[in-house]
Amino acid sequence: DIQMTQSPSAMSASVGDRVTITCRASQDIRNSLAWFQQKPGKVPERLIYGSSNLQSGVPSRFSGSGSGTEFTLTISNLQPEDFATYYCLYHGDYPLTFGGGTKLEIK
Amino acid sequence: QVQLQASGPGLVKPSETLSLTCAVSGFSFTGAYHWGWIRQSPGQGLEWIGSVHYSGNTYYNPSLKGRVTLSVDTSKNHFSLRLTSVTAADTAIYFCGRFTWLQAFGIWDQGTTVTVSS
Repeated sequence: DIQMTQSPSAMSASVGDRVTITCRASQDIRNSLAWFQQKPGKVPERLIYGSSNLQSGVPSRFSGSGSGTEFTLTISNLQPEDFATYYCLYHGDYPLTFGGGTKLEIK
Repeated sequence: QVQLQASGPGLVKPSETLSLTCAVSGFSFTGAYHWGWIRQSPGQGLEWIGSVHYSGNTYYNPSLKGRVTLSVDTSKNHFSLRLTSVTAADTAIYFCGRFTWLQAFGIWDQGTTVTVSS
């Protein structure tokens, strides 16, 4: 089974900053990685799928990259509404596996 | 517009069975989509529980295998989760969602809080 290691588990940043969150897969998963944003008390929302495909309606300051075993979610020009928890998800085969999450807080 | 709505008891006693049903509306239940369950324990991350195809094919998280059963009822456009022998560790928000291989989970319900307590 694929294991997803997400880092960091928490971070703080300021409005306008550029941040990067990383997920590493325990083996080659090609580009089968999605990113989700979850705000407190809310349903997770898909941001990125297939490593780099931006979900319709998601601001272009969000971008995903990577293939194989290392993937990144980059948020440019952080906005107040971006402070949330982010999860990666391996979606290439069963069992599906989420990363442990990254809580992004305001500095 | 695709909508998913889960229903089921919000309180389950330890050692009993947790049962939830997710109704799908605004979309054909059949086809290439899979229908899945994900949960989130209080203050914790997301955990995939399992997925089911309308054909009846099921896929489970190995950590829960043996306790979880998914099923579909195509006549009612809904799919169901049963989790047996629950403990306090099964207390969580349970989400149902639509899954595709290319795009992962794109549509979710609002989540159902299930508490395991006597």
